[in-house]
Amino acid sequence: QVQLQESGPGLVKPSHTLSLTCTVSGGSFNSGGYYWTWIRQRPGRGPEWIGYIYNNGSTYYNPSLQSRVAITIDTTANHFSLKLSSVTAADTAVYFCARWVLVVPAAISWFDPWGQGTLVTVSS
Amino acid sequence: EIVLTQSPDILSLSPGQSATLSCRASQSVTSTYLNWYQHKPGQAPRLLIYGASNRATGIPDSFSGSGSGTDFTLTISRLEPADFAVYYCQQYGNSPTFGQGTKVVIK
Repeated sequence: QVQLQESGPGLVKPSHTLSLTCTVSGGSFNSGGYYWTWIRQRPGRGPEWIGYIYNNGSTYYNPSLQSRVAITIDTTANHFSLKLSSVTAADTAVYFCARWVLVVPAAISWFDPWGQGTLVTVSS
Repeated sequence: EIVLTQSPDILSLSPGQSATLSCRASQSVTSTYLNWYQHKPGQAPRLLIYGASNRATGIPDSFSGSGSGTDFTLTISRLEPADFAVYYCQQYGNSPTFGQGTKVVIK
C-alpha cells in the first residue's frame, strides 16, 4: 500500500524559499502512470492544487503560482520535492503531497493517497 | 478555472441521522471528474467517491454520490461517530479545483 510523507521546515522567513520533500513508500513510484502532486490548504480555505510532476520529469503548475514554483523528482530515492520562492505570509498553509491518477482517455481522475500534510508558517 | 461552491458550510447533525452535502460548479463538470474527500484533523484526506457516484476502495455503502452538470451531492446515511469530519468536492477540468468544504459536526 502506497504511503506518502511530507517533510521540511515548519517556519520560513518572508522572501525566502519554501522547500518540502515527499517520500513515497510501498511501491509504484517508478512504475509510471501517476502524477505526483503538491496541494496546499491555507487557513479557512479549501485545498489548492499547486502542481505535478510525472516520472519522466515533465511538470505542470497552477498558473497562479507557476512563476514561483518548481517541482522535482528523484525516482532512485523515491521522493519528489517542492520549492516555492519569494514566499509571503499568504503562503502560510498546510502542504500536502498526493498521488494523482489521471487517465484522460477514460476521463478518470482523482487524488489518492495523500500525505497527512505539514504546516509551513511564513514569518520573520 | 471552475469554481466549486459547497453548502452548507457547517452541518450539525446527530449520530444516526442522514447528511446531504451539496457541491455546485460555476460551469458544467464532466461527472467522471467529480470526486469527494473526507478530511479529519491531523490525518491525510481520504478519497470517498470518484466519478461522482463510485465509492472508493473500503468506503462503506452509507456513503453515496450523485449528480451531473453543475450540481452534485454527497449523502451519508446513518451518521456514525467516525463520519464527523470535513468533506470536500473536487473536479478536474483543465486544472483541478476544490470546494471550500462542508464541516459535519455533532449536534
